[in-house]
Amino acid sequence: AQRVTQPEKLLSVFKGAPVELKCNYSYSGSPELFWYVQYSRQRLQLLLRHISRESIKGFTADLNKGETSFHLKKPFAQEEDSAMYYCALSGSGTYKYIFGTGTRLKVLA
Amino acid sequence: GAGVSQTPSNKVTEKGKYVELRCDPISGHTALYWYRQSLGQGPEFLIYFQGTGAADDSGLPNDRFFAVRPEGSVSTLKIQRTERGDSAVYLCASSLTSGGYGYTFGSGTRLTVV
Repeated sequence: AQRVTQPEKLLSVFKGAPVELKCNYSYSGSPELFWYVQYSRQRLQLLLRHISRESIKGFTADLNKGETSFHLKKPFAQEEDSAMYYCALSGSGTYKYIFGTGTRLKVLA
Repeated sequence: GAGVSQTPSNKVTEKGKYVELRCDPISGHTALYWYRQSLGQGPEFLIYFQGTGAADDSGLPNDRFFAVRPEGSVSTLKIQRTERGDSAVYLCASSLTSGGYGYTFGSGTRLTVV
């Protein structure tokens, strides 16, 4: 079955602490993985995608095919990182996303 | 337009009524998608348009749901005989091409069926 699992509904960290938002997936084939973010009262927006291997707002994510994971990491959390984060996958070159249930990140002052 | 526009932003309707939700994608984006997000869940795929045609409507939950995109731009999601279980945020997204590059989402329409 194709599935994205985000095991934490809520993650609270202090400002300056490292952050890791977990994402595991199940997919038969070559998936493409994405992280989307939704800040308070804003629309869902693309944060990063694994194929571009980029760092956005200090966040990185590495696709680990052995562990079928795509965890989102940031070495030093900032208060403005507080948001809802969704991990998503699609089949290579396809259009349909499967989203996880999301993790709410709260960065405490 | 500059972004994906969805109207209305909120819609409250009575059980059994018909509703239409509108999406205006980014100009030039040929691919358009509808997703539904229920409380506490991630978005779930409903339908995908490439141009004017529905290339994949496999996510529509039943035949009360229908969507059109007659001129390859604006799309309308139509729900007949609404039920309380249809209450959700309906998200529209568009992309320049399909596949692999991420979408631009609209702000969504929050539908409440009472």
